[in-house]
Amino acid sequence: QKEVEQNSGPLSVPEGAIASLNCTYSDRGSQSFFWYRQYSGKSPELIMSIYSNGDKEDGRFTAQLNKASQYVSLLIRDSQPSDSATYLCAVWSYGQNFVFGPGTRLSVLP
Amino acid sequence: ETGVTQTPRHLVMGMTNKKSLKCEQHLGHNAMYWYKQSAKKPLELMFVYNFKEQTENNSVPSRFSPECPNSSHLFLHLHTLQPEDSALYLCASSQDSGRLSSYEQYFGPGTRLTVT
Repeated sequence: QKEVEQNSGPLSVPEGAIASLNCTYSDRGSQSFFWYRQYSGKSPELIMSIYSNGDKEDGRFTAQLNKASQYVSLLIRDSQPSDSATYLCAVWSYGQNFVFGPGTRLSVLP
Repeated sequence: ETGVTQTPRHLVMGMTNKKSLKCEQHLGHNAMYWYKQSAKKPLELMFVYNFKEQTENNSVPSRFSPECPNSSHLFLHLHTLQPEDSALYLCASSQDSGRLSSYEQYFGPGTRLTVT
């Protein structure tokens, strides 16, 4: 069984700081990587996807992928209390389909 | 309606009941998924349908029976469930056209199921 690992947290950062969320995966054949945000009692919401090594920026969010290290991260700049949620890392590969990590709970303190 | 919808949003059923969960996507996608989300466990992929054909069944007990009559609708039929089946059941869809970006999944609001 392929695995996706994340620190469960909670990760606490002060408002305005950079939050850094990390994810590692075991399947070297993985090709697509996604970050979802899930508020308590709600369903996951896609916030970023990344497919090639390097950085991808979208507003305050930056996803970073390093396939050699089997590592993907999400940076949230200028963190806001509304960013407080659980962040799920998901990995897709042919044959394995989707595997989700357990999620990291982020708390942004006003 | 837009996006992915699910009904009912909440369901309480006894162990001997039969019920069905419904999912509908309005995104023109080709693939639909059922996930189970239990407390303190990662999202578990249960079933995958691509162009109405089931392409994955992740060793799900037979008391869960999926049905996909077309690319827009997905059902999960439930019968003789156990209390440990209580969870949030999420439906998702994706384009699945072969491009890597087409595997982005969009989730419905989920059905909170309680088995008594």
